[in-house]
Amino acid sequence: DVKVTQSSRYLVKRTGEKVFLECVQDMDHENMFWYRQDPGLGLRLIYFSYDVKMKEKGDIPEGYSVSREKKERFSLILESASTNQTSMYLCASRARLLPAYNEQFFGPGTRLTVL
Amino acid sequence: SQQGEEDPQALSIQEGENATMNCSYKTSINNLQWYRQNSGRGLVHLILIRSNEREKHSGRLRVTLDTSKKSSSLLITASRAADTASYFCATNSGNTGKLIFGQGTTLQVKP
Repeated sequence: DVKVTQSSRYLVKRTGEKVFLECVQDMDHENMFWYRQDPGLGLRLIYFSYDVKMKEKGDIPEGYSVSREKKERFSLILESASTNQTSMYLCASRARLLPAYNEQFFGPGTRLTVL
Repeated sequence: SQQGEEDPQALSIQEGENATMNCSYKTSINNLQWYRQNSGRGLVHLILIRSNEREKHSGRLRVTLDTSKKSSSLLITASRAADTASYFCATNSGNTGKLIFGQGTTLQVKP
């Protein structure tokens, strides 16, 4: 079974802090994704990565950056956390198959609170 | 951008009843997927239906797709209390793995 793990289930940070959210998958998937989930807004894509050292902006990349130095790990970085980044953050991975007829596998999520 | 819109936003039924959730989308798609999310947890993939398919079954799940109306429905038959969760549709377009999620339907199944 595919396993996607996230470094923390709950995280509390202060405004202005640099925050790292880590995601690791164990199935050699090429594609990885970071979403945030907010009530009434569903899941919104922040960044995604097709493969190692590759990254693409999603729908809401402002205030975030990412790093993919190894295939199994995709990190989301909040350079200077703000209160409006309080949210549930979900990581997902997917095997790159053509055509794109396969699902994403999600981690358990990190609930981040910025005070 | 949100492509999928789900209806209803919330649904409450008794155990044993059927639950139907609907999803509408705006652009042409390769496939449409349904995911379940238990409270405060990650999403779990349920079923995928391709754009050239009209109906698909998996256990107690039945998914239909009407590309002319740009809509899909998820039917859960003989619901159980364990089916209580939020359900999301997600569409895939183009040749990437990107998904666009709807806002979800919250289902409560009362024992």
